[in-house]
Amino acid sequence: QQQVKQSPQSLIVQKGGISIINCAYENTAFDYFPWYQQFPGKGPALLIAIRPDVSEKKEGRFTISFNKSAKQFSLHIMDSQPGDSATYFCAARDSGSARQLTFGSGTQLTVLP
Amino acid sequence: NAGVTQTPKFQVLKTGQSMTLQCAQDMNHNSMYWYRQDPGMGLRLIYYSASEGTTDKGEVPNGYNVSRLNKREFSLRLESAAPSQTSVYFCASNPQGNTEAFFGQGTRLTVV
Repeated sequence: QQQVKQSPQSLIVQKGGISIINCAYENTAFDYFPWYQQFPGKGPALLIAIRPDVSEKKEGRFTISFNKSAKQFSLHIMDSQPGDSATYFCAARDSGSARQLTFGSGTQLTVLP
Repeated sequence: NAGVTQTPKFQVLKTGQSMTLQCAQDMNHNSMYWYRQDPGMGLRLIYYSASEGTTDKGEVPNGYNVSRLNKREFSLRLESAAPSQTSVYFCASNPQGNTEAFFGQGTRLTVV
């Protein structure tokens, strides 16, 4: 059972454009929603994260929008650059003792120069 | 500061062979995790250890065992490797109660 659904699977954007990746979740016990960025041959690294009591969080060119009632959240990358080309994973953490992260299936972003 | 270190980085096994993937973190984190990454599947949790001395099954534990050797080290063992276990394996850790999980560089395992 996939508890975090991510789309699209792949995304191609021109340099300077806006990249948008969407995720939806089912478990209302999730209390933390991070986005991870992964470059080829590397492990995922935290990019930006949001808690459900906030509707938007911005860090530089990266913004998370969060809709608690719809159980959806999205990553917006403004002024996309070729260096942003990577795989992006949304995730959600449960509020239990293990603080497990459940990941989406990933989006491979390619930013064309 | 090395963070999370995984060994080996690459491994080829024959079906039925066994091996242990090693993971060590130097951040004094309480919680450690093993994930596998497959195309189109994201990262799926195999096993986790919320604190030293405890381990629990994740989403896909079949065919694997783990040992939390001490606070620093968390190993993943394949007793009898199968082609379905061909994957990239990631170890991660985070401080109990904190939010960010730190990942190792991964182990690319091929079972032929």
